[in-house]
Amino acid sequence: QKEVEQDPGPLSVPEGAIVSLNCTYSNSAFQYFMWYRQYSRKGPELLMYTYSSGNKEDGRFTAQVDKSSKYISLFIRDSQPSDSATYLCAMSESVTGGGNKLTFGTGTQLKVEL
Amino acid sequence: DAGITQSPRHKVTETGTPVTLRCHQTENHRYMYWYRQDPGHGLRLIHYSYGVKDTDKGEVSDGYSVSRSKTEDFLLTLESATSSQTSVYFCAISAGNSPLHFGNGTRLTVT
Repeated sequence: QKEVEQDPGPLSVPEGAIVSLNCTYSNSAFQYFMWYRQYSRKGPELLMYTYSSGNKEDGRFTAQVDKSSKYISLFIRDSQPSDSATYLCAMSESVTGGGNKLTFGTGTQLKVEL
Repeated sequence: DAGITQSPRHKVTETGTPVTLRCHQTENHRYMYWYRQDPGHGLRLIHYSYGVKDTDKGEVSDGYSVSRSKTEDFLLTLESATSSQTSVYFCAISAGNSPLHFGNGTRLTVT
């Protein structure tokens, strides 16, 4: 079993829809939770970053963390064609020297149709 | 792209040849990472560095070595490339307990 599970999709929604993306994890040592967006042939771009359980909102994006259930979600409101990308969840734990080791989900491919 | 430059952007090489990928940052961040991205596996950590000359292995380090002689540069070397190392390689940087920021990757094909 992978430490982080993410439905690969693809997920296709009409413009303006609410999108829900989810990940589950098994490692209790994970401390920080992130969502990255990756466009084709580009590097992952940080979207949301949170530490505690609960919700964090940034514009049309809301990240939700439930540590008791080991479950995180990303909601996108009023989805736009420009949101079409692969969304990666990531979770971090401390490593030697004080850095962060990120463990990623495999990514969910999202397409927002006009 | 958070001041990260990866070179080359694309490379085709033959099995058994040595290959070095370079990551250069202008942010003066202490931590640098090398990941590879493959279909069905997502991004996996190869090696990371927590300072000049300080490095450690990630989960898929076999067949790879790294060096960091300056804060701004982190090199990834494949001593003898194999077809299983065909992948997209991403460098990332961070400042302590903060999120990673990624470069735009190097697409490596080993024939």
